[in-house]
Amino acid sequence: EPEVTQTPSHQVTQMGQEVILRCVPISNHLYFYWYRQILGQKVEFLVSFYNNEISEKSEIFDDQFSVERPDGSNFTLKIRSTKLEDSAMYFCASGNSNQPQHFGDGTRLSIL
Amino acid sequence: QKEVEQDPGPLSVPEGAIVSLNCTYSNSAFQYFMWYRQYSRKGPELLMYTYSSGNKEDGRFTAQVDKSSKYISLFIRDSQPSDSATYLCAMKQSLNTGFQKLVFGTGTRLLVSP
Repeated sequence: EPEVTQTPSHQVTQMGQEVILRCVPISNHLYFYWYRQILGQKVEFLVSFYNNEISEKSEIFDDQFSVERPDGSNFTLKIRSTKLEDSAMYFCASGNSNQPQHFGDGTRLSIL
Repeated sequence: QKEVEQDPGPLSVPEGAIVSLNCTYSNSAFQYFMWYRQYSRKGPELLMYTYSSGNKEDGRFTAQVDKSSKYISLFIRDSQPSDSATYLCAMKQSLNTGFQKLVFGTGTRLLVSP
């Protein structure tokens, strides 16, 4: 069964550094998403991406965050200048408008 | 009032029991309802996907949606130790491009003992 894959599984970064999280969505999906889950808290929506542009974003997704689909297969989340409170699990998901979203296993981001 | 409320548990049951997991929500615009299972250090895995009110069955799992009460349930029959995980309810408003975001409950941790 096709699946969403995310790399790396764990990323450790110094505060203030830039980080890029990578995702390969399911190949025939047109909608792409990033969510995050701070330890012990609920999964929270960050951003959705469709037709090469952001279609929806949350208040968490401020100017420090950006997303890109640099080629036909990858979908990336960049955090420009990381803060301690960015430490969380980041999940990529993909789907189509009439189908549920399928999630990857996440990248655990640790900011030191 | 939180948009989606879910009892965090843990809910402990013996093997073979029927498990009932529930969520309530406040936004009447939600139309699509999902249940995901999450094992430790893994991503949410889709279990059930339903639209509007009614029941849907898939093997040992049954999802119920009552939009008039803003209440959704997941039933697991003949529970197994391998069902031990955190169960997340999630919902969204629409199929339209700008309303695709999922809103999650906190998740209920289920422990099934042999």
